[in-house]
Formats: sequence, structure tokens, C-alpha cells
Amino acid sequence: EAQVTQNPRYLITVTGKKLTVTCSQNMNHEYMSWYRQDPGLGLRQIYYSMNVEVTDKGDVPEGYKVSRKEKRNFPLILESPSPNQTSLYFCASSSTDREDFGYTFGSGTRLTVV
Amino acid sequence: AQKVTQAQTEISVVEKEDVTLDCVYETRDTTYYLFWYKQPPSGELVFLIRRNSFDEQNEISGRYSWNFQKSTSSFNFTITASQVVDSAVYFCASWGGYQKVTFGTGTKLQVIP
Repeated sequence: EAQVTQNPRYLITVTGKKLTVTCSQNMNHEYMSWYRQDPGLGLRQIYYSMNVEVTDKGDVPEGYKVSRKEKRNFPLILESPSPNQTSLYFCASSSTDREDFGYTFGSGTRLTVV
Repeated sequence: AQKVTQAQTEISVVEKEDVTLDCVYETRDTTYYLFWYKQPPSGELVFLIRRNSFDEQNEISGRYSWNFQKSTSSFNFTITASQVVDSAVYFCASWGGYQKVTFGTGTKLQVIP
């Protein structure tokens, strides 16, 4: 089954404790992206990657890091989480073929930073 | 820069009523793509439709239909004979063919039995 797998689904952590949210896709997609969803603000892009070793900032990259060492994986790293990073996070992937472009989303990770 | 506006924050309808969700986009790209996604109460994001800027034909899929009008930069979504299962947050999004996909802030639809 074609899917994007995010882990964990739920995470409660303390301020300053480094964490990683993993994202993996099995569709051989070139394009991967991270979003955060906050009430009233919709989905805002954090980082995206057009292919292995190619990443770029989205609209709200501050406080986040990503890496794309393999095509299938695109982890989101919070090196020093703060309460304002409490949010619902989604990973997404897509083919970069214009005729096929369309996100497949992971199930989401609800992060709470206390 | 792209911008997507969903001016309707929340809509409530009674079951079996028709409802239209509005989406207005701004883009400088000559080639672009528009999308609708559904987020039911369970939280996942479900792809509904994709449209490219060269195809202004309206699309119908069962009770769902989409009206794309470049003249008004709108890509509206209509649900005919709404059902309780249609209750969800609906997002409109645009992609200019390069890197960034821009989402609107979403419209929460509540269908009352």
C-alpha cells in the first residue's frame, strides 16, 4: 500500500529536549515536505525537499531542521523545542512530475511541548 | 508569491442541503495547479481533486463538483445533498509548479442531521 508513515503519532516533551519526528514514504517520490497545522492558520510549510540532499525553507522554518539522506526518509528535527512549537505536524510526499503532482500525507504527529 | 484565501471559516448546513465552499487564489505563475483536501474529525488529510490552470472544465464526482474560473481566480467546491459524513475541514491549495505548495486556512463544514 502506497503510504507516508510518520512516527510518533503523539508526543509530549519538555522544553529544550531534542526530538525527531520520522517520515518515510514508499512511493519513490522525489518531493517531500513538512507542515504544521495550527487553529486559524491552516497548514504552513516548514521545509521541503526536491530530492536527496536538496532541502529548502518553507514559510516557518525557525526552530526546525531537516535532512534528506535517503529518498524515502525526511525526518523533522527540533533541537531545542519550545512551547510555541506545540502543534499538529504533517509530512507529505509527491512525485515532481507535473502531471502527477499531488500530496500524499502522513497521519500526523501531535506534539505538545511543556 | 502565491496566496490562497478561504474566507468562510465555518459553515453549518442541515443535512441534504447543498453547500459551496469558496476558494480564491493569487499567483503570478502562468502554469499552476489547484487542489482540494478534506480533513475529517479523525485528522488525516485526504486528497479530493487536482486541477491545472489550462483546464477550466468543471468536474463532477458523485455529490461533489468543482467550478474553476480563471477570470475570477476562484476554484469553488460544491457538495450536493450534504451528508453528516461530509462534516470536516476542507482546504484549498495551490502549486506553481516549482517548490512551494500554499494552503488556505480551511473551511470547517458542519452538517447537522
